[in-house]
Amino acid sequence: DAGVIQSPRHEVTEMGQEVTLRCKPISGHNSLFWYRQTMMRGLELLIYFNNNVPIDDSGMPEDRFSAKMPNASFSTLKIQPSEPRDSAVYFCASSSGLNNQPQHFGDGTRLSIL
Amino acid sequence: SQKIEQNSEALNIQEGKTATLTCNYTNYSPAYLQWYRQDPGRGPVFLLLIRENEKEKRKERLKVTFDTTLKQSLFHITASQPADSATYLCALELPPDSWGKFQFGAGTQVVVTP
Repeated sequence: DAGVIQSPRHEVTEMGQEVTLRCKPISGHNSLFWYRQTMMRGLELLIYFNNNVPIDDSGMPEDRFSAKMPNASFSTLKIQPSEPRDSAVYFCASSSGLNNQPQHFGDGTRLSIL
Repeated sequence: SQKIEQNSEALNIQEGKTATLTCNYTNYSPAYLQWYRQDPGRGPVFLLLIRENEKEKRKERLKVTFDTTLKQSLFHITASQPADSATYLCALELPPDSWGKFQFGAGTQVVVTP
């Protein structure tokens, strides 16, 4: 079975540019999570969806960050405008949405803002 | 959310020995606690889940304990192998209405030398 698929794997762009990260969750999973990982702060939950509806976006750092899930098989995380401090690895994960079930992570997008 | 503490220093261990990692938390005791493994450049991979009413859980060479009185989980890798070298993260369920949402610790790096 295909796991969680993220694209691109690497993104290097200049400050001020718009960045769009993409995620395809595992088929049948109805919860989707976006995380950011840095050395300083570890793995931080940014936002999560259940049945394509955003449930909690309290982890989104600023209004420059937005996320959408137009259907069960696709989600995007957008940063506009990007800043150097947004440089991090961004992970998408999906699960069945039950508390006793694991989260399945993609391999992340390594984002560098120059 | 709550504060989750994992040893920040890498654990260096000789092949064949048992590695023991700790995960301490400060506030409420979660109903579920999970452990994940993360290799460089990859997303975390689920290893084990333990419930609050379970004292111990085993999977092959892995063992997890959960002490809600001490607010601590221990993760053991017995007969360690160089292939066990990775970063290990604990994750605590975030109530209420968690929808499968977890808060992750910063992780502990394990290095197993032959």
